[in-house]
Amino acid sequence: DVKVTQSSRYLVKRTGEKVFLECVQDMDHENMFWYRQDPGLGLRLIYFSYDVKMKEKGDIPEGYSVSREKKERFSLILESASTNQTSMYLCASLRDRNYGYTFGSGTRLTVV
Amino acid sequence: GQQLNQSPQSMFIQEGEDVSMNCTSSSIFNTWLWYKQDPGEGPVLLIALYKAGELTSNGRLTAQFGITRKDSFLNISASIPSDVGIYFCAGQLRGGTYKYIFGTGTRLKVLA
Repeated sequence: DVKVTQSSRYLVKRTGEKVFLECVQDMDHENMFWYRQDPGLGLRLIYFSYDVKMKEKGDIPEGYSVSREKKERFSLILESASTNQTSMYLCASLRDRNYGYTFGSGTRLTVV
Repeated sequence: GQQLNQSPQSMFIQEGEDVSMNCTSSSIFNTWLWYKQDPGEGPVLLIALYKAGELTSNGRLTAQFGITRKDSFLNISASIPSDVGIYFCAGQLRGGTYKYIFGTGTRLKVLA
């Protein structure tokens, strides 16, 4: 089975900090995604990547950036954390369009 | 960004009852997926649907790809306490990329 690993389950950061969320997948998938999940809003796409060094904005990219230097690793960066970025962050990997995402366990980020 | 209309938002049911939920959209989809998310975990794929009218089962779960390609349904028969969680639909737009659009989720609580 594909495994998607998010490095932290819980994080607490201060406003203004630069925050790195790491995601690693072990099945050589080309496509990786970052979503945030908020009650009543479902999953909203922040950024995605089709291949190494390639990235595209999702629906809510403001305040975020990403890095994909290696195929297996996709990092989400909060340049200057704000309290409205307190959320559950989910990373996903995709084999191809017909197989659906495999999600990591999520990182619950609290910005204080 | 686009989202799918998923209903109901939440439901309490008695153990042993059948459950139905659905997702609708004004857009046409190529693929429908149904996920379940346990508390504190990432979503896990339950069922994938690829053709209009397709009916697919996974144990006590049955999902259908609507004939119009604009909706999908998930039924759970004889619910048990471990069915508790949030159920998400996700659709891939016709002609779309590798992105899936997610519903806002149905929170299911099963009373023993």
